[in-house]
Amino acid sequence: DAGITQSPRHKVTETGTPVTLRCHQTENHRYMYWYRQDPGHGLRLIHYSYGVKDTDKGEVSDGYSVSRSKTEDFLLTLESATSSQTSVYFCAISEPMTGSDEQYFGPGTRLTVT
Amino acid sequence: AQTVTQSQPEMSVQEAETVTLSCTYDTSESNYYLFWYKQPPSRQMILVIRQEAYKQQNATENRFSVNFQKAAKSFSLKISDSQLGDTAMYFCAFTPVNTGNQFYFGTGTSLTVIP
Repeated sequence: DAGITQSPRHKVTETGTPVTLRCHQTENHRYMYWYRQDPGHGLRLIHYSYGVKDTDKGEVSDGYSVSRSKTEDFLLTLESATSSQTSVYFCAISEPMTGSDEQYFGPGTRLTVT
Repeated sequence: AQTVTQSQPEMSVQEAETVTLSCTYDTSESNYYLFWYKQPPSRQMILVIRQEAYKQQNATENRFSVNFQKAAKSFSLKISDSQLGDTAMYFCAFTPVNTGNQFYFGTGTSLTVIP
């Protein structure tokens, strides 16, 4: 299994509070991604990174920001959480230079905003 | 715009039988990859099978095989000899080559294998 961890695994927070989710990888892959998973929507890309300090928006980036100061860590921040951000968040990594476009996923973080 | 459609929200199959999950996609790209991922109740996303668009031969992995029809933009997954451990959500995904590895996922098909 690819070495990807996410923390926390579960979190309950109140509307309006800031929340940061962490993704940590030990594979030295360049690309890292944050998705959210909601019933009826599958997985939707929030933000992704193609290198240290290089990030770009995905399909559902409003209300989220990211940072990547080291290859191994990719942080997702909800500046002011809203109930619509209640979801399961997945981090993924990939390295096209390996010859495969496969993405490897972390275990997910269940976030509940009350 | 890239879209992936899974038209079967839920399916069931008897143990040891065969089931086919459908997936269609829309893209103007000519070179891309297609994937099926499995998500069991543990929530972990697991790669089931991968197909490269420039390869005409359908990919096979043990009991899992695909029917890739590029002209029709169709990518169905066949599971043979279904086992109880195959019970999971299955997601079809698509990524164009050389576009930052952005994946586009379908909404998923929940498969239940009945003993």
